[in-house]
Amino acid sequence: DADVTQTPRNRITKTGKRIMLECSQTKGHDRMYWYRQDPGLGLRLIYYSFDVKDINKGEISDGYSVSRQAQAKFSLSLESAIPNQTALYFCATRQLNTGELFFGEGSRLTVL
Amino acid sequence: AQSVAQPEDQVNVAEGNPLTVKCTYSVSGNPYLFWYVQYPNRGLQFLLKYITGDNLVKGSYGFEAEFNKSQTSFHLKKPSALVSDSALYFCAVAEGATNKLIFGTGTLLAVQP
Repeated sequence: DADVTQTPRNRITKTGKRIMLECSQTKGHDRMYWYRQDPGLGLRLIYYSFDVKDINKGEISDGYSVSRQAQAKFSLSLESAIPNQTALYFCATRQLNTGELFFGEGSRLTVL
Repeated sequence: AQSVAQPEDQVNVAEGNPLTVKCTYSVSGNPYLFWYVQYPNRGLQFLLKYITGDNLVKGSYGFEAEFNKSQTSFHLKKPSALVSDSALYFCAVAEGATNKLIFGTGTLLAVQP
């Protein structure tokens, strides 16, 4: 089983719909992250969480919200999806002493 | 503010030839530097990291990277490229283990048989 699991892996939705992307981990790491990948732009940080009660905005948080339901779960929501939120989304956990990130397989979201 | 640059969108190399993927960075303090690889339809996989110690870091799949403080560079290298090395490579930097990890825009490596 993967250490960092994302669901769904693929989703097509329409403008204005609410979407939730879920992430769960078995690494036991406190720190979790949501990134967005767009061609030519690399990975951009949306939100990150240092523990259940500590949520922080990243570079591009507008239009997104997150929930840290437990140490192992960190979900990303799009309250009203728009086409320019079409992208590949990655969840990651971080090992504290080395700073290394461990990524999920990604969730490809298409907003029509 | 910390930043990282990958000046090449794509690198083409023939199989068996050495390869270099370039990365330069900017941080205020001591850098934590990483290379990740992404194969099609997959998440990012860790290749190697530099935190402290020897400037030449060895990683997975025969890759290595050289930390050059004076040039603020952390170029990824491999002595002999394989077709299976073809993928998207990302450099990333953080100011310490706990600060945000900032990624470059990625370099597509294409190895021709």
